[in-house]
Amino acid sequence: SYVLTQPPSVSVAPGETARITCEGNNIGSKSVHWYQQRPGQAPVLVIYYDSDRPSGVPERFSGSNSGNTATLTISRVEAGDEADYYCQVWDRTSDHWVFGGGTKLTVL
Amino acid sequence: EVQLVESGGGLVQRGGSLRLSCEASGFTFNRYYLYWVRQAPGKGLEWVACIKEDASEKYILDSVKGRFTISRDNSKNSVFLQMNSLRAEDSGLYYCARDAVAVTKGPLGQWGQGTRVTVSS
Repeated sequence: SYVLTQPPSVSVAPGETARITCEGNNIGSKSVHWYQQRPGQAPVLVIYYDSDRPSGVPERFSGSNSGNTATLTISRVEAGDEADYYCQVWDRTSDHWVFGGGTKLTVL
Repeated sequence: EVQLVESGGGLVQRGGSLRLSCEASGFTFNRYYLYWVRQAPGKGLEWVACIKEDASEKYILDSVKGRFTISRDNSKNSVFLQMNSLRAEDSGLYYCARDAVAVTKGPLGQWGQGTRVTVSS
């Protein structure tokens, strides 16, 4: 089955740039979606189809996808960005949606 | 306003059954894929099942295949997850979610608040 690998944690100071990676075999050939989940809350879609932003999501959030790595980039990080972030793809081989293990973003 | 409200969770013994329901409002229900996603305590998200707008396509996680069934009733704006032969590892918060874009199988744009399932041994 298809596996998505994320770093368990990323730490960044306020105002800096956070980059959260999602690795998968030839992930660049798939569409990647990203979710933010704050403690005790339901997930929220922040990036879809690799790099599109839903309305209401700050422009500070961006995404890219190439080769074996997709990346969620959060510029000018704020304390409110502290959350768990998950990547997701559709695996056509297994007809399964697959989530990465999640990355906890800590704002120092 | 889009709303997804889950219900039906609870405490059940290993081997037992539960039927989760998700009632939707605020959008044209029969134009969207619907999903169930679960999250074990302290763990990450795990997709469980999804169903096409007209129920002509259903997909389900291998580890629950044969035990869980997804269905929908468009006349009642509801999607269901019938869970049989429950195991301890099925415990968690079960979210109902909707596609971000109508008539696609794509990103999950709207989520409910979840219903908790606890399977005791």
